[in-house]
Amino acid sequence: QAGLTQPPSVSKGLRQTATLTCTGNSNNVGNEGAGWLQQHQGHPPKVLSYRDNSRPSGISERLSASRSGNTASLTITGLQPEDEADYYCSAWDSGLNAVVFGGGTKLTVL
Amino acid sequence: EVQLVESGGGLVQPGGSLSLSCAASGIIFSDNWMHWVRQAPGKGLVWVSRINADGSATSYADFVKGRFTISRDNARNTLYLQMNSLRADDTAVYYCTNVFDWWGQGTLVTVSS
Repeated sequence: QAGLTQPPSVSKGLRQTATLTCTGNSNNVGNEGAGWLQQHQGHPPKVLSYRDNSRPSGISERLSASRSGNTASLTITGLQPEDEADYYCSAWDSGLNAVVFGGGTKLTVL
Repeated sequence: EVQLVESGGGLVQPGGSLSLSCAASGIIFSDNWMHWVRQAPGKGLVWVSRINADGSATSYADFVKGRFTISRDNARNTLYLQMNSLRADDTAVYYCTNVFDWWGQGTLVTVSS
């Protein structure tokens, strides 16, 4: 199954802003929206944002999600050391009748 | 608090079978589509299978079709994955999840002789 496209890595300095992107098509991101997950090494994924771009309770206001056409974005402001992790986007694909994931972006905070 | 607790992982020889379970609490399990997602060591998340809320419809990734079977027991709030004809490349942590809201801790399946 085809997946969503994410850059493999992003590096930013402490307290800077990082924007992670996720590109799909009209059957997935463009139609259904995308969710975002954070995963630290050795831990399960954690939901950062829902497909409507809202945040679960307890997720920092430094994180915001948005979508334009077939591309979803996750912006993290005021980067902290604990933001260093792998980030995945996910979407329901109505053409494939399946969930699709991005390959993940490794965010490094310098 | 939502909890999804997977069990049943372990070491199995190639060609063998394993059955995973996922016990759900803190949610109305019978209202939710559920999925199995796996992650091979050092790799990304890969969708494996899904089942609709009442268990009447399922779908599978091509690489497990005909080998894995997803099912659920809404009376027991439990999701299952029966895995047959296991191969080395099925080695992964298997997560029970509805993908967009809740994830379990995962259970490790290792296929090796």
